[in-house]
Amino acid sequence: TQLLEQSPQFLSIQEGENLTVYCNSSSVFSSLQWYRQEPGEGPVLLVTVVTGGEVKKLKRLTFQFGDARKDSSLHITAAQPGDTGLYLCAGSRQDKIIFGKGTRLHILP
Amino acid sequence: EAGVTQFPSHSVIEKGQTVTLRCDPISGHDNLYWYRRVMGKEIKFLLHFVKESKQDESGMPNNRFLAERTGGTYSTLKVQPAELEDSGVYFCASNPLGREDTEAFFGQGTRLTVV
Repeated sequence: TQLLEQSPQFLSIQEGENLTVYCNSSSVFSSLQWYRQEPGEGPVLLVTVVTGGEVKKLKRLTFQFGDARKDSSLHITAAQPGDTGLYLCAGSRQDKIIFGKGTRLHILP
Repeated sequence: EAGVTQFPSHSVIEKGQTVTLRCDPISGHDNLYWYRRVMGKEIKFLLHFVKESKQDESGMPNNRFLAERTGGTYSTLKVQPAELEDSGVYFCASNPLGREDTEAFFGQGTRLTVV
């Protein structure tokens, strides 16, 4: 059973377009994190959201934590080829981090 | 400051052989985690050390996997004997005590291929 469901699994869009990636669960998490992973590297943290309804911005990236702390979204405005990569949603539970399968994003120049 | 380092970066072994993966966490990080990503699946938790003690090993697949962290510094993960389904990327991560819910710092991973 997948605890964290990410959608879409794959997304290929043109440079300049906007996109949203979703992370959903039936369980409540104390915090949710978004990581980005490049080929041959480990995941690198982008942001941690802790409070229900919280919104955090990182340049063109906007992260939101659902009010019930069961879901999160990542919105990218005016996507750039440098945004290409694997985006992983992760939740903290019992002192360990649980990952979703990830969304593989490809931005076409 | 050095990040989490893993060795080797790649390993190709035959079924039935033994392989030992090593992880050096960030200095001062008492929490050390092992994760594994099998192709097409999510990154899955294997186990969690707090210093030299195993806090949670609920994710270890079976008794062919043995993790150690003698002295509470670096950790090793030994697979003996390796099976085809053990192929995947093994990640190590660390963070300080009290930061378990915030961020884990990951190594680059060891890609293990069992043939």
